[in-house]
Amino acid sequence: GDSVTQMEGPVTLSEEAFLTINCTYTATGYPSLFWYVQYPGEGLQLLLKATKADDKGSNKGFEATYRKETTSFHLEKGSVQVSDSAVYFCALRITQGGSEKLVFGKGTKLTVNP
Amino acid sequence: DTGVSQDPRHKITKRGQNVTFRCDPISEHNRLYWYRQTLGQGPEFLTYFQNEAQLEKSRLLSDRFSAERPKGSFSTLEIQRTEQGDSAMYLCASRPLPGLVPSSYNEQFFGPGTRLTVL
Repeated sequence: GDSVTQMEGPVTLSEEAFLTINCTYTATGYPSLFWYVQYPGEGLQLLLKATKADDKGSNKGFEATYRKETTSFHLEKGSVQVSDSAVYFCALRITQGGSEKLVFGKGTKLTVNP
Repeated sequence: DTGVSQDPRHKITKRGQNVTFRCDPISEHNRLYWYRQTLGQGPEFLTYFQNEAQLEKSRLLSDRFSAERPKGSFSTLEIQRTEQGDSAMYLCASRPLPGLVPSSYNEQFFGPGTRLTVL
C-alpha cells in the first residue's frame, strides 16, 4: 500500500548548520507530497508542498523537490535556527474516487542548539 | 482565531467509559478529517467527511468508534468502552473544496488535537 518512510531521529544540530531530512514514498499513481511541522505544544502546520514531479516547494528557508525517479521528497535548509526545533512529518496525499487522505511518515524530531 | 478548534484539549478517562470529542473546522471548509497520532508515530487517517456525508472510514475505526457531522459544520468523534490502546492524540483537519481558494491555501489545516489518556 501507499506509505512514507522518513529518516529516523532525533536530529541535533548547531545553529546555522545545514539540514537534510530524508523522505521516500511508495504510492500508486502520482500523489501530492507535503512537509508538515509540529512545534512543541502546537498542532500540525503545513510547511511546504509539491504536486507534481520536479516541483520544488519552499517556505521559511526550507525546500524540497519532488523526485519521481527516486520517489523522494527530502527536506533541506541551508542554515537552521533555534526556532526551527520541532518535529517534521513527510506526507503524501491519496485521492481515489470520492476518497482523500494524507499518509504520514513517523516524524523526525529536530533540535537546534545555540 | 479562525483556525480549526478542538474540545477538549485533554481528556483522562477510565477504561470502559465513553468519551466524545468535538471539532469545529474553519468556516466554510466543506471537508473534515479525523486522524489519530500515537507517541512517536505520524498521524493515521481515521475518517473523512464532505459536508455531512462520511465518505471514508479507515479499518482503524473499529465498531467502538463513531463520527458524525450532522449539519456539515462541526463534527464529533465518540469512542465507546474505551481501552488503554485508545490513548492517543486525536487530530481534526479541514479543507475547502478545490477551486474555491488559491491552491496555496487549498490544503488540510489541522487543529491542536485532543489528547486522550485511558487509565
